[in-house]
Amino acid sequence: DSGVTQTPKHLITATGQRVTLRCSPRSGDLSVYWYQQSLDQGLQFLIQYYNGEERAKGNILERFSAQQFPDLHSELNLSSLELGDSALYFCASSVALTSAQETQYFGPGTRLLVL
Amino acid sequence: AQTVTQSQPEMSVQEAETVTLSCTYDTSESDYYLFWYKQPPSRQMILVIRQEAYKQQNATENRFSVNFQKAAKSFSLKISDSQLGDAAMYFCAYLTQGGSEKLVFGKGTKLTVNP
Repeated sequence: DSGVTQTPKHLITATGQRVTLRCSPRSGDLSVYWYQQSLDQGLQFLIQYYNGEERAKGNILERFSAQQFPDLHSELNLSSLELGDSALYFCASSVALTSAQETQYFGPGTRLLVL
Repeated sequence: AQTVTQSQPEMSVQEAETVTLSCTYDTSESDYYLFWYKQPPSRQMILVIRQEAYKQQNATENRFSVNFQKAAKSFSLKISDSQLGDAAMYFCAYLTQGGSEKLVFGKGTKLTVNP
């Protein structure tokens, strides 16, 4: 158990819908990362938040957005869902205070299926 | 941009034997971090081992060790005394620095352990 929690574990929805994925980082970790794992794209970085502020963006679609709340949990919002958004979405966290503490620990993931 | 290449889509090993998984990467940075993550059928991403580029000594964690060749930009993982529980996808990852600490992943190597 990495200490990172994600809910829900599974999500089935229809095209055009909107869903919210939730992540709670390990205790003491300030930084949260979101990754998408799909068969065709592999594991790709989406976005990073550090202590409530967006720090870096990767290959995140405009239909996707995220935020990190004062208690450091994070939510990834996916809207106008398409079939191709079906994937495993991981949240990871790290302390991110110095480069020596940059090991990222992953949650169990949320498996999203868009029908 | 940094890239990570795992040239072996699949590998197999006999139980109790040793296997080496290959990884090469491309970067212009001099200081960075490299990781191996394991993804078993449960799809959880589990940290296996970490290597700091400034350290000449190869990292080891029990039966897992790396051969880090900085000049060649090579970072292979050796698994000794392979066990059935080692069967999984193994991902090599590079941690970018400089304000955005995202992981760049290779496409993975599927390891099968034969009894």
